[in-house]
Amino acid sequence: QKEVEQNSGPLSVPEGAIASLNCTYSDRGSQSFFWYRQYSGKSPELIMFIYSNGDKEDGRFTAQLNKASQYVSLLIRDSQPSDSATYLCAVNIGTGFQKLVFGTGTRLLVSP
Amino acid sequence: NAGVMQNPRHLVRRRGQEARLRCSPMKGHSHVYWYRQLPEEGLKFMVYLQKENIIDESGMPKERFSAEFPKEGPSILRIQQVVRGDSAAYFCASSENYEQYFGPGTRLTVT
Repeated sequence: QKEVEQNSGPLSVPEGAIASLNCTYSDRGSQSFFWYRQYSGKSPELIMFIYSNGDKEDGRFTAQLNKASQYVSLLIRDSQPSDSATYLCAVNIGTGFQKLVFGTGTRLLVSP
Repeated sequence: NAGVMQNPRHLVRRRGQEARLRCSPMKGHSHVYWYRQLPEEGLKFMVYLQKENIIDESGMPKERFSAEFPKEGPSILRIQQVVRGDSAAYFCASSENYEQYFGPGTRLTVT
């Protein structure tokens, strides 16, 4: 079982729709969770992080965490073509300044 | 406030040569991480350093790879005697708290 799993996609949504990206992780001791966006040929860009169960909203983005189910998701409201990218879920293994374990990413395509 | 800086952005080496990749963390950040991304694969952790200390090198190949973060100057990832399989994008990230911010990466091509 992979430590962090994501559906590779592509996930196709029309412009203006809600895109829902999902991620599961295997280590119950994981404390912090991150979503990065990566455009083709570019470096990962931090979108959001979440530490506590529940929802965390930032603009058009909402991160959702359910530690009991070992599940974290990212919702993108009012999707735009510029949101088309690969979204990487990352989990901090450990309780300190530790390495991030990344999923392989979900490719999102937003059509005009 | 400058972000994480990496150089060179592109590096071409022949098999058997050495590659040196440099990373300057964001101002105020004392934690540096190196990751490797192979074509069509995810990001893989290599090493975590603080000034003058290697904290976690569990992702580093046992041979040919080394990393340092000296008291003065950038962090260096060194790959000796490169092979074709070393061709990848190498990303550096820095942090002061839990959030890691990535540099633009160095794309290494081994011919």
